[in-house]
Amino acid sequence: DSGVTQTPKHLITATGQRVTLRCSPRSGDLSVYWYQQSLDQGLQFLIHYYNGEERAKGNILERFSAQQFPDLHSELNLSSLELGDSALYFCASQQGSGNTIYFGEGSWLTVV
Amino acid sequence: AQTVTQSQPEMSVQEAETVTLSCTYDTSESNYYLFWYKQPPSRQMILVIRQEAYKQQNATENRFSVNFQKAAKSFSLKISDSQLGDTAMYFCAFTYSGGGADGLTFGKGTHLIIQP
Repeated sequence: DSGVTQTPKHLITATGQRVTLRCSPRSGDLSVYWYQQSLDQGLQFLIHYYNGEERAKGNILERFSAQQFPDLHSELNLSSLELGDSALYFCASQQGSGNTIYFGEGSWLTVV
Repeated sequence: AQTVTQSQPEMSVQEAETVTLSCTYDTSESNYYLFWYKQPPSRQMILVIRQEAYKQQNATENRFSVNFQKAAKSFSLKISDSQLGDTAMYFCAFTYSGGGADGLTFGKGTHLIIQP
């Protein structure tokens, strides 16, 4: 158990819909990262939050957004969903720069 | 920007054998960290081993060890006495030590199959 909690574990939704993925980082970790892993692709960095503020954006679509709340949990919002958005979405947390990054178990999103 | 290359898409060995997975990276930085993560069929990402670039000594964790060659920008993972439970995707990853806001940069992975 990495200590990073993601919900829901599995989600099936229709095209055009909107979903929210939730992440609780490890106790004491200020950084939260979101990654997307599609079947035929590696892990793609989406976005990084540190103590409530956005630190970096990767290959995140404009239809996607995220935030980190004062209690440090984070949410990834995916809207106007397309079939190609079907993927495993990982949240990862880190105490500070250079420390090990720990992953949650991921949220499986299937868009039908 | 840094890149991580894993040149072996798939490897297969017999149980109890030793196997080495290759990883090379490209960066202009001198202070960074390298990791190997394991992703079994459950798809969970599990940290296997970590190496600080400033350390010359190679990291080891039980049956797992690395061969870190900083000048060559090479970071291979050796698994000794391989077990069936080692079957997984293995990802090599890189992050800067001085505030890498992008977090980890991953290679495309090596699918390791341990045969009984």
